[in-house]
Amino acid sequence: QVQLVQSGAEVQKPGSSVKVSCKTSGGALTTHPISWVRQAPGQGLEWVGGIIPIFGTPKYAQKFQGRVTLTTDESTSTAYMEISSLTSDDTAVYYCATDNPVKGALDYWGQGTLVTVSS
Amino acid sequence: DIQMTQSPSTLSASVGDRVTITCRATESISRWLAWFQQKPGIAPKLLIYKASTLESGVPLRFSGSGSGTEFTLTISSLQPDDAATYYCQQYNSYAPKRFGQGTKVEIK
Repeated sequence: QVQLVQSGAEVQKPGSSVKVSCKTSGGALTTHPISWVRQAPGQGLEWVGGIIPIFGTPKYAQKFQGRVTLTTDESTSTAYMEISSLTSDDTAVYYCATDNPVKGALDYWGQGTLVTVSS
Repeated sequence: DIQMTQSPSTLSASVGDRVTITCRATESISRWLAWFQQKPGIAPKLLIYKASTLESGVPLRFSGSGSGTEFTLTISSLQPDDAATYYCQQYNSYAPKRFGQGTKVEIK
C-alpha cells in the first residue's frame, strides 16, 4: 500500500527558505518519480517539479528554476522540496505525488503541507 | 510549452444530470491526459488516466474520452458526492506537466 506523509505546516518570513518532506511507504520511492504540485489559496493546481529517485535527476517548471531544489533520501524513503527566497506569492499548499509513467498520471498524493510566508 | 484550457469554469447541475467537462491542449498530447477530482482541503484524487482508463475504485458514472488536443470528462448521472473541482493534466515524463485551470461542479 503506497502512502505519502508530508511534514507539518510552516510559517516563514519573506526572503527565507523552507524545506518540506514527503515520507513514502509501500516502495514508492524505489519505483516511481516524485512530483511536487502547489496550490495557492483559492487557486488551481501548479506543477512545481519532479525527481527520479536513485538517479537523482530533478526537473523544474521554468518559473521555479533556480529557486526550488528537489532531493531524495533513499535510506529513509523520503523526498524533499526546498524553496529559497520566499515571497508572499509562495504561500500555498504543497503536495507531493507519485509519478506513474505507465499510467501517465500522478496516482498517489500526500496530504499537503501549508507554507505561509508572512512578515 | 503546452497549455491546457478547461471549459466551463463553473457549472451547476441537478442530481441525475449528465455533465460534460472539456479540456483542450494547444498541441497534440496523444492520449496522455489525466483527470482529477478535488474537494476543499483534500488532495486531488486521480479519476481517469490515458484519457479514458478509469482508476481503480472510481465509480462507473465517470468516463473520459478524446485524443490529440480535445478531451472530455463525463459524469453520466451526477450525484451529491460529485460536487468538487475537476482538473485535467497533460502528462509528459520529461517535461512540465500542466494542469487545466479547473472546473467547479455545483449541485443545484
